[in-house]
Amino acid sequence: DAGVIQSPRHEVTEMGQEVTLRCKPISGHNSLFWYRQTMMRGLELLIYFNNNVPIDDSGMPEDRFSAKMPNASFSTLKIQPSEPRDSAVYFCASNVYLIGRGRNTEAFFGQGTRLTVV
Amino acid sequence: KNQVEQSPQSLIILEGKNCTLQCNYTVSPFSNLRWYKQDTGRGPVSLTIMTFSENTKSNGRYTATLDADTKQSSLHITASQLSDSASYICVVRPTGGYNKLIFGAGTRLAVHP
Repeated sequence: DAGVIQSPRHEVTEMGQEVTLRCKPISGHNSLFWYRQTMMRGLELLIYFNNNVPIDDSGMPEDRFSAKMPNASFSTLKIQPSEPRDSAVYFCASNVYLIGRGRNTEAFFGQGTRLTVV
Repeated sequence: KNQVEQSPQSLIILEGKNCTLQCNYTVSPFSNLRWYKQDTGRGPVSLTIMTFSENTKSNGRYTATLDADTKQSSLHITASQLSDSASYICVVRPTGGYNKLIFGAGTRLAVHP
């Protein structure tokens, strides 16, 4: 398996532009996470999907952020309009969550997308 | 207050030396505790996973310990190598019907020749 695949690896955009980050989770994983990492705040959970359904989006900083998971093999994180303070590395991760057992497997992370908003 | 606190924030050691990284958490009850290694420019990679009932788990030169009574965990690195230079992140999963991970801020380790 190729692991969690994110694109693009790097994105530089001007303030006010729309940015779309993409993620392909590991096949067979039913949970997907979007994280943001900065030097100041470390890794922060933005949103979490289980079986393509958003379970908790309390980490999404503002209405400018939105995430979708139209199917089990694809998710997007969109920022519109982007601002310089959105500059960070955005990670996608996936794992298997066994709902009935309340257990989860190891979470595998993608390589991340480094976003710079100028 | 962060639910997972790590120390030190950064550490520099010489190649071949041992070191120990600390993690204190307040998450309770919890299901498991994980240590991740994150190389610069890459995503975190899991090193060890311990359930609340386990005291120690090894992965090569990495040994993690867990004291659920004092809510402390440590990651011991033996005979450090230059490739150990990375950030090490302590992660706790709370108990409950929610697939959630709580991350510490990490310890940035630099191994010098």
